[in-house]
Amino acid sequence: DGGITQSPKYLFRKEGQNVTLSCEQNLNHDAMYWYRQDPGQGLRLIYYSQIVNDFQKGDIAEGYSVSREKKESFPLTVTSAQKNPTAFYLCASLNRGGTEAFFGQGTRLTVV
Amino acid sequence: AQSVSQHNHHVILSEAASLELGCNYSYGGTVNLFWYVQYPGQHLQLLLKYFSGDPLVKGIKGFEAEFIKSKFSFNLRKPSVQWSDTAEYFCAVNEGGFQKLVFGTGTRLLVSP
Repeated sequence: DGGITQSPKYLFRKEGQNVTLSCEQNLNHDAMYWYRQDPGQGLRLIYYSQIVNDFQKGDIAEGYSVSREKKESFPLTVTSAQKNPTAFYLCASLNRGGTEAFFGQGTRLTVV
Repeated sequence: AQSVSQHNHHVILSEAASLELGCNYSYGGTVNLFWYVQYPGQHLQLLLKYFSGDPLVKGIKGFEAEFIKSKFSFNLRKPSVQWSDTAEYFCAVNEGGFQKLVFGTGTRLLVSP
């Protein structure tokens, strides 16, 4: 079955450490997204990519980095520069017409 | 920059009351519009979407939404809510052709029995 796989589901990080969240899709979608979900703030766009080897900053890109070396993969790195990294992170992809979005199950990151 | 506004952050209704949740966006070109629902402890679920055709869109669970281009709005409606509609509702907009998918801040709906 086609879909988006995020791993891990839960992640704990020590302050000062970088951590990378995985997002893989087998839907052959060009567009992929990373969102951060916090209570009362909805889903805020961190980064998105419309095509391999290209990506754009979203509304809250500071302290995050991404890469898009393969169409199927769009990993997100939460760097030590991110002041408040504890959150739920959601990866998504969008079909070519922009009419259907698919979401991963999310990764809950906790900084300890 | 494209933005999506959901003006009602919290809504409390009694069962059988009618619901209307507002959603406005700022992009002036062609858009695809979505409403998602997130039940407590669960993941996002698509309620309905609009990308062309009839501006009145019907979705699952008795929800509908109307796209009014002149008002840049895509409000969600349901004639009679149920306790099981208690959830958070998100509006999302994708600029046609640009592929940037932006969500509103969400509206928490509480339906009292």
